[in-house]
Amino acid sequence: GQQVMQIPQYQHVQEGEDFTTYCNSSTTLSNIQWYKQRPGGHPVFLIQLVKSGEVKKQKRLTFQFGEAKKNSSLHITATQTTDVGTYFCAESSNDYKLSFGAGTTVTVRA
Amino acid sequence: NAGVMQNPRHLVRRRGQEARLRCSPMKGHSHVYWYRQLPEEGLKFMVYLQKENIIDESGMPKERFSAEFPKEGPSILRIQQVVRGDSAAYFCASSPWGQMNTEAFFGQGTRLTVV
Repeated sequence: GQQVMQIPQYQHVQEGEDFTTYCNSSTTLSNIQWYKQRPGGHPVFLIQLVKSGEVKKQKRLTFQFGEAKKNSSLHITATQTTDVGTYFCAESSNDYKLSFGAGTTVTVRA
Repeated sequence: NAGVMQNPRHLVRRRGQEARLRCSPMKGHSHVYWYRQLPEEGLKFMVYLQKENIIDESGMPKERFSAEFPKEGPSILRIQQVVRGDSAAYFCASSPWGQMNTEAFFGQGTRLTVV
């Protein structure tokens, strides 16, 4: 499947600040999914983006799919301690096979 | 999602032993997917099964690994003669259709440690 690269690998954030994590591909993505995995936990589906330029919001989380469908971003505003975890983007090259990025691990300083 | 049940949650095996990981899909889901997560990496697809059928095993190592999803009972991922490199978290997901999308959920995983 496609290879998606995520940056940064680690994100240390002061509580209350905003941050953005990015997911990039050298080729066009059919869609992009975002997951959150808490330490010691399992991946939890957050959102799926399909359309070029699509933007979706979930409370303090904003997900964007690039116009060329080669990149995506997750922006979190007013970071809270509950945002701690690893955020993965994943592309499904077919209906069932997901190709995950390596993730961005977020820690929060209170 | 608590609906996908994996056991055991933690498994310790000595090198050369066999590991059997079980996954019970959510009620009404007949499609099961196994993924492996090495430390500090993303998940890697291993195999996709429907009841009594292996649909895609392109991510499975050629040797020592096998998977099944019998007509009755959970899906089983079996690793024979485990080696240290098999230490990882193994996640199972299930869905009602053959799609990993909004209706697919991961179980809590089995953390395998080979000593």
